[in-house]
Amino acid sequence: DAGVIQSPRHEVTEMGQEVTLRCKPISGHDYLFWYRQTMMRGLELLIYFNNNVPIDDSGMPEDRFSAKMPNASFSTLKIQPSEPRDSAVYFCASSLRVGASNQPQHFGDGTRLSIL
Amino acid sequence: GESVGLHLPTLSVQEGDNSIINCAYSNSASDYFIWYKQESGKGPQFIIDIRSNMDKRQGQRVTVLLNKTVKHLSLQIAATQPGDSAVYFCAESKPSGTYKYIFGTGTRLKVLA
Repeated sequence: DAGVIQSPRHEVTEMGQEVTLRCKPISGHDYLFWYRQTMMRGLELLIYFNNNVPIDDSGMPEDRFSAKMPNASFSTLKIQPSEPRDSAVYFCASSLRVGASNQPQHFGDGTRLSIL
Repeated sequence: GESVGLHLPTLSVQEGDNSIINCAYSNSASDYFIWYKQESGKGPQFIIDIRSNMDKRQGQRVTVLLNKTVKHLSLQIAATQPGDSAVYFCAESKPSGTYKYIFGTGTRLKVLA
């Protein structure tokens, strides 16, 4: 079975450039999550969607960050303009709701972002 | 504030021995707990989960124990193998189906040959 697919796997760009990270969730999953992982702060939830609708974006650092989910099989996380402190590994995860119970989130292998 | 913490940042275990990774959580309202394994260069991989109405759950070579009295979670790995070397994270989630996880800082498991 195909898991969560993220692209690109690595991105190196200069400060001030626009960065777009992409995610394809597991087919049939109705929740999608974007996380950021750094050594200092660990795994942080940035935003999550349910049925393509953003539910909670309280983790988004600032207005430079935006996320969209135009359909059930695709989401983007955009940083504009990028800054060196945005360097991190960005993960996308998806899960399937079963009733009102939590279910495991399944993660992609991430995008390692370096802003020079 | 709310937090999920790990007592041991690094755990070294002899191959073939059992491993126990511990996790403390602070929110007594959390009702769902999950363990992930993360290998270098990869995303967190789901290992096992447990709901608050259970004390123990077993998988293949792994067991999760939940002690709600002291708000403690542990992951036991039987007959630890070199392939088990990774960083292990616990996470908790509050009820109401918010689906938001609070992750711990992680424990690195090193398996010694």
